[in-house]
Amino acid sequence: AQSVTQLGSHVSVSEGALVLLRCNYSSSVPPYLFWYVQYPNQGLQLLLKYTSAATLVKGINGFEAEFKKSETSFHLTKPSAHMSDAAEYFCAVTNTGTASKLTFGTGTRLQVTL
Amino acid sequence: AAGVIQSPRHLIKEKRETATLKCYPIPRHDTVYWYQQGPGQDPQFLISFYEKMQSDKGSIPDRFSAQQFSDYHSELNMSSLELGDSALYFCASSFSRVEETQYFGPGTRLLVL
Repeated sequence: AQSVTQLGSHVSVSEGALVLLRCNYSSSVPPYLFWYVQYPNQGLQLLLKYTSAATLVKGINGFEAEFKKSETSFHLTKPSAHMSDAAEYFCAVTNTGTASKLTFGTGTRLQVTL
Repeated sequence: AAGVIQSPRHLIKEKRETATLKCYPIPRHDTVYWYQQGPGQDPQFLISFYEKMQSDKGSIPDRFSAQQFSDYHSELNMSSLELGDSALYFCASSFSRVEETQYFGPGTRLLVL
């Protein structure tokens, strides 16, 4: 069975500081990995995805993530946090089969302070 | 660009009542997924349909049923509602023959009193 673990349910950074949200995966087959963002009372918006092409993936809003097979990690980073980045971030994994379900991590709430 | 449409956006029901949630996928998408997100929880997979056939089933109660229609829209039917069914219900769609990315709708917030 596939799973993802997000380390840190809450992360607080200052505006302009580096954002690092951690995600480790467990999968017996090559995984597809995703980061979604959820703003309060809203749906899930895709930030970026890894589907076995380039290991460094760039997404929307200046976020990027690097797939590291040796570390089974897919950490999300952004060089400089903005107040508008405050939200819940979910890492998710699916396998390469057609119409495969997403398995989500428990989420990390990002707080950005002045 | 067209997105996933869900209706209603909010729903209030009494215990033991029935609710029907609707999902309209992005045009040309062939797969629909349903997820349930409880308060402060991560989304949990319920059920999915690929080309109008059920393709996978997760932790969906027997009181719930779903189907995908010829126009690819999907409905989640929930009967004998319980307080614990109060949650945000997301529908997602994908074009599975081409890529794996699931695009989520805004969700239906169900409150059972």
